[in-house]
Amino acid sequence: SYVLTQPPSVSVAPGQTASITCGGSNIRSKSVHWYQRKPGQAPLLVVYDDSDRPSGIPERFSGSNSGNTATLTISRVEAGDEADFYCQVWDRSSDHPIFGGGTKLTVL
Amino acid sequence: EVQLVQSGAEVKKPGESLKISCKGSGYSFTDYWIGWVRQMPGKGLEWMGMIYPGDSDARYSPSFQGQVTFSADKSISTAYLQWSSLKASDTAMYYCARHVIGRYGDYMDVWGKGTTVSVSS
Repeated sequence: SYVLTQPPSVSVAPGQTASITCGGSNIRSKSVHWYQRKPGQAPLLVVYDDSDRPSGIPERFSGSNSGNTATLTISRVEAGDEADFYCQVWDRSSDHPIFGGGTKLTVL
Repeated sequence: EVQLVQSGAEVKKPGESLKISCKGSGYSFTDYWIGWVRQMPGKGLEWMGMIYPGDSDARYSPSFQGQVTFSADKSISTAYLQWSSLKASDTAMYYCARHVIGRYGDYMDVWGKGTTVSVSS
């Protein structure tokens, strides 16, 4: 089945830009969705269909998808952004969602 | 406001049965698939499957087929996840989430806060 690969961790200083990648074979042919999970909280959808933001999600969160890599970019990172981030696609061959392994974002 | 409210934490022994719930509000519960997602301690998210409350059509991930049962009672806008015989390895957080059709396949736009299930002798 389809596999999504994320780096286990990303660290960034406050005010800087964080980039979290999600690798998959020809992922540009799929829609990529991103979720943020803070400790003790439910996952929150922050980007859907590669680059769209749900209402209420700050413009600092943006997404892109090209080739074999999708990227979630968080600009002007704040301490409150610290969380685990998961990418997700729909695998047509198995007809169900696939999650990446997750990336822990640490704000230094 | 669209919400999914899950039942409270459970502590069980191996071999016991369990049914946890997920109640939807703020939208037409019968028009959206409800998915179940497991997160084991220290691990990532795993999609278990989904149920369509409108007709109780259920789809299971191969990893969970035969291990759990989904059901729904549309009269009270509630979906359920059930085990007939728990194992210690079922210890995890379980989320329900509303499926939405994206450009190429579903994503989950609203999530419940999760139900912690602990199984230990």
